[in-house]
Amino acid sequence: EIVLTQSPGTLSLSPGERATLSCRASQSVKSSYLAWYQQKPGQAPRLLIYGTSSRATGIPDRFSGSGSGTDFTLTISRLEPEDFAVYYCQQYGDSPRTFGQGTKVEIK
Amino acid sequence: EVQLVESGGGLVQPGRSLRLSCAASGFNFDDYAMHWVRQAPGKGLEWVSGISWNSGTIGYADSVKGRFTISRDNAKNSLYLQMNSLRTDDTALYYCAKGHTVTTFRGAFDIWGHGTMVTVS
Repeated sequence: EIVLTQSPGTLSLSPGERATLSCRASQSVKSSYLAWYQQKPGQAPRLLIYGTSSRATGIPDRFSGSGSGTDFTLTISRLEPEDFAVYYCQQYGDSPRTFGQGTKVEIK
Repeated sequence: EVQLVESGGGLVQPGRSLRLSCAASGFNFDDYAMHWVRQAPGKGLEWVSGISWNSGTIGYADSVKGRFTISRDNAKNSLYLQMNSLRTDDTALYYCAKGHTVTTFRGAFDIWGHGTMVTVS
């Protein structure tokens, strides 16, 4: 099973700042099958990024993904008030599919 | 509108069974893999099971293998999860999720339902 470790656990930032979230895999993620999700309290997760760097439908371009192999990054270029949430990475190249434990982006 | 609606959750005693359903609408259900993902209260996301568009490929998390069975009925646009021998650590909100890519089992999850709560106590 591929274990995904996200860091930091919590990121305290102000609106307008840049957020950089990390996801490290215990082994190489096949064909960059790495996704990022956003979850707000009381809501279902929302797909942001798939295939490491492709934005899902309707996702603003302030969200970007990068990386390869075992190290992946989600960057939010300028935080908007609605971006404060929990973010999860997921690998879907191997079974079982696995998620990271999440990074909470909170308002400083 | 693309929509997934889960049902069938509830309070159940340890060792008993429960069957979850997910009704899909607004897309060609039989073109996509489907998955169940759960989230224990205050915790992160855990993939439970997935099934390919034609039921030819099925996968389970180790934590549920041998106890849970996923299935689908493409004629009814529905996904199911039969949960047997339930344990207290199965308590969670269970989400139904749609695979992102046509006809492949590999894909991110682009549409999620609102979830159905299962409490084992």
